[in-house]
Parts: sequence; C-alpha cells; structure tokens
Amino acid sequence: DAKTTQPTSMDCAEGRAANLPCNHSTISGNEYVYWYRQIHSQGPQYIIHGLKNNETNEMASLIITEDRKSSTLILPHATLRDTAVYYCIGSNTGKLIFGQGTTLQVKP
Amino acid sequence: KAGVTQTPRYLIKTRGQQVTLSCSPISGHRSVSWYQQTPGQGLQFLFEYFSETQRNKGNFPGRFSGRQFSNSRSEMNVSTLELGDSALYLCASSPLGLHGANVLTFGAGSRLTVL
Repeated sequence: DAKTTQPTSMDCAEGRAANLPCNHSTISGNEYVYWYRQIHSQGPQYIIHGLKNNETNEMASLIITEDRKSSTLILPHATLRDTAVYYCIGSNTGKLIFGQGTTLQVKP
Repeated sequence: KAGVTQTPRYLIKTRGQQVTLSCSPISGHRSVSWYQQTPGQGLQFLFEYFSETQRNKGNFPGRFSGRQFSNSRSEMNVSTLELGDSALYLCASSPLGLHGANVLTFGAGSRLTVL
C-alpha cells in the first residue's frame, strides 16, 4: 500500500472551495487513490476514488496528477458540516492503511 | 438499504476479561474488515475476511482474532484484555475486497473501555 503525506490541518471559509492535497509518490500503477472523511466519533465515510483520471461525484472532485504522485480533493462549496478529518489512501487490496489525515476546519 | 451494523455500541470490561464484537455487513457484501482507532495510534487495520476466510491481517497480537460466518456476518474477539485495548473498533464491509476499486462502508463502531 502506498505511503501518503497530507498536511496536518487546514482552514477554509464557509462557501469557498476547500482544496486538500495529498502526496503519494510511492503509489503503484494498479493502486487506487481513495478519500474518506471522519466526523468526530463516527465511522469514516467514503468520499471519492480514482485511478488515473479526474473524478467528480455529488460530494467532491478528485484531481490526480498525470504522474499519479499526488492528488487534490476539492469540496466545491464547503459548509460547516464538512469540518472533519480527511484521509487520503492508496490501495489495491481489501485493507486500507490510514495516515493521520488532514483536519479541515470550515469557518463561518 | 441497511448500513453496516455493529453491536454493542458501548461496553466496559475489566483487565483480563475477553470481549466479542459483532458486525453485520451490508446485504450482498462479502468482505468485512476491522479497524482499531485510538487517540495515539489513529486508525489501524486489524484484519479482513472474505467468504469466511481471513485474507489480510494487520500487526496485532494473537489476542485479537476474528471470524466470518456463511451469511458474511463477522465477529472479532479480544482475549485477556489490557488497558491499551480501550478503543473504538470499527467494522467495514465492501462487495469485493480484493483487487480493483474497493469502496468500504463503515459502521458506527463499538467503543470498548477497559478498566
């Protein structure tokens, strides 16, 4: 499983886009990039995943660089309820290795 | 459809006792994995079961064990409890669990306190 590096914390103003970076320079060609988030004391929630192409769903967009060494999760219009710990994971197996993640604080 | 159900949600045990936690996956999901979350170590992978067979295992002592039944429900057991086993234990299920995209759905967790 790929080793990922994320900033420890970030702030974002409510209504603005939140851009969360992740470095995964050791990711292998068949490992997917996953993003999950965890709101305090709840189970992690799946957000989005991708392999090579950029992806978008109702929650977020995922931009993966062409060399696949890094990615950015974009929450287009952050709300206070998006305050959480965000985890970026590289994996192609049934287990996920969670790092420390990025604590995103959305401020009014 | 119903989500991942974990029972019990909260429990208190004393050192030396054992505990069994249960996880009912989403219907049709064959992979169940378990994670331990503590403030100091974060989220750590325990093990994964697929079709009643343990397929992946994390770096935990043998006191931590699990099993999966034919209906995909899973249990994990911790024997000879230690204070450091106090944690939130999370279960996740997915349809496939091996190769390819593997989206996990997590339960709300079982919070274990060891006194």
